[in-house]
Amino acid sequence: GAVVSQHPSWVICKSGTSVKIECRSLDFQATTMFWYRQFPKQSLMLMATSNEGSKATYEQGVEKDKFLINHASLTLSTLTVTSAHPEDSSFYICSARGAGGIAYEQYFGPGTRLTVT
Amino acid sequence: DAKTTQPTSMDCAEGRAANLPCNHSTISGNEYVYWYRQIHSQGPQYIIHGLKNNETNEMASLIITEDRKSSTLILPHATLRDTAVYYCIAKGYNAGNMLTFGGGTRLMVKP
Repeated sequence: GAVVSQHPSWVICKSGTSVKIECRSLDFQATTMFWYRQFPKQSLMLMATSNEGSKATYEQGVEKDKFLINHASLTLSTLTVTSAHPEDSSFYICSARGAGGIAYEQYFGPGTRLTVT
Repeated sequence: DAKTTQPTSMDCAEGRAANLPCNHSTISGNEYVYWYRQIHSQGPQYIIHGLKNNETNEMASLIITEDRKSSTLILPHATLRDTAVYYCIAKGYNAGNMLTFGGGTRLMVKP
């Protein structure tokens, strides 16, 4: 199956700083990438969808100016959490799908655990 | 996507079959049933999907009722590594929108 990587796997940052998380599709071209967030003991919640070369579409309640998403190439998307606060501490998971991909061909990265102190 | 309902948690003895039910009574004719699982602190992993016929792969079997209103994921010989949250999703086959996850079933495999 297709492989999606994320970097870093975990990060600790101080309140008020920004942190960038990278998501890469290693062996396929990801025309669409999704970013999810998961709080402890909860399910995955979609934050935004991005198509390569286009602006991301954010889900209701997700601040686009706080969670900056860039999908500049077919193999890389980045999520930048700006001015992070402790309540942004969460598990962030990216997912990628190629062109014409069918529903189950949405591959997930291993996740990035963000802790804001 | 049709709403799915799963038990919150289940236990299973190691080596036994784990049968995880899912209710999707409002599923439409073109929606498939997908199963994913998420082991603690990892990303979701695809397991299997089906439309109306039973399906089997190296990981699991999927049994879908004739009326398609419910299904059961079967892990034939559960191991401790199968401890995870299992998600059942009803969705159309084509790409369309992203996968959305409900609460899932937290399966605990015990020695």
